Amino acid sequence: AQSVTQLDSQVPVFEEAPVELRCNYSSSVSVYLFWYVQYPNQGLQLLLKYLSGSTLVKGINGFEAEFNKSQTSFHLRKPSVHISDTAEYFCAVILTGGGNKLTFGTGTQLKVEL
Amino acid sequence: DTEVTQTPKHLVMGMTNKKSLKCEQHMGHRAMYWYKQKAKKPPELMFVYSYEKLSINESVPSRFSPECPNSSLLNLHLHALQPEDSALYLCASSQDPGQGWNEQYFGPGTRLTVT
Repeated sequence: AQSVTQLDSQVPVFEEAPVELRCNYSSSVSVYLFWYVQYPNQGLQLLLKYLSGSTLVKGINGFEAEFNKSQTSFHLRKPSVHISDTAEYFCAVILTGGGNKLTFGTGTQLKVEL
Repeated sequence: DTEVTQTPKHLVMGMTNKKSLKCEQHMGHRAMYWYKQKAKKPPELMFVYSYEKLSINESVPSRFSPECPNSSLLNLHLHALQPEDSALYLCASSQDPGQGWNEQYFGPGTRLTVT
């Protein structure tokens, strides 16, 4: 079985500062990796995904993530955050080779302050 | 059109009521999902429909009854719910049930309160 760990439940950061949201996964087989964002009172929106190939993945809204197989990590980064980035961020995995069951991490609340 | 719509946005129901949540997508997706999300928690998968057939039931109590009348619609029928069932119910869809790498598109959710 796979699992996803987001160690930071909350990350406060000042506007225009860089941010990194951490995600680690465990799985005995290969996985596809996703980052979703959820703004207050809304559904989830895909930020980016890693399927294969280049380990640096660029997504929407200036976010990027790097897949590190040896460390089983998929950390999300943004070089300069805005107030509008305040939201809940979820890392998620799906096993490769079939199936469409997303396993989510517990989420990280990003709070951007002036 | 990459939108998944859900109605109603909010629903308050008593424990003896029967109600339904509705979800619709017109992206031609053949996989549809129901998730339950409690406050400050990640979504939890409830059901998956693949090509209009129920393919995954995550041991959900029978007071929740899903239905997929056609490839664009997904319903969740609710009956005799408990207060602990109060949550945000999210619907999602993806293009191909056999391809896990397909993005799941989420609707805005229905905020359910059981009194």
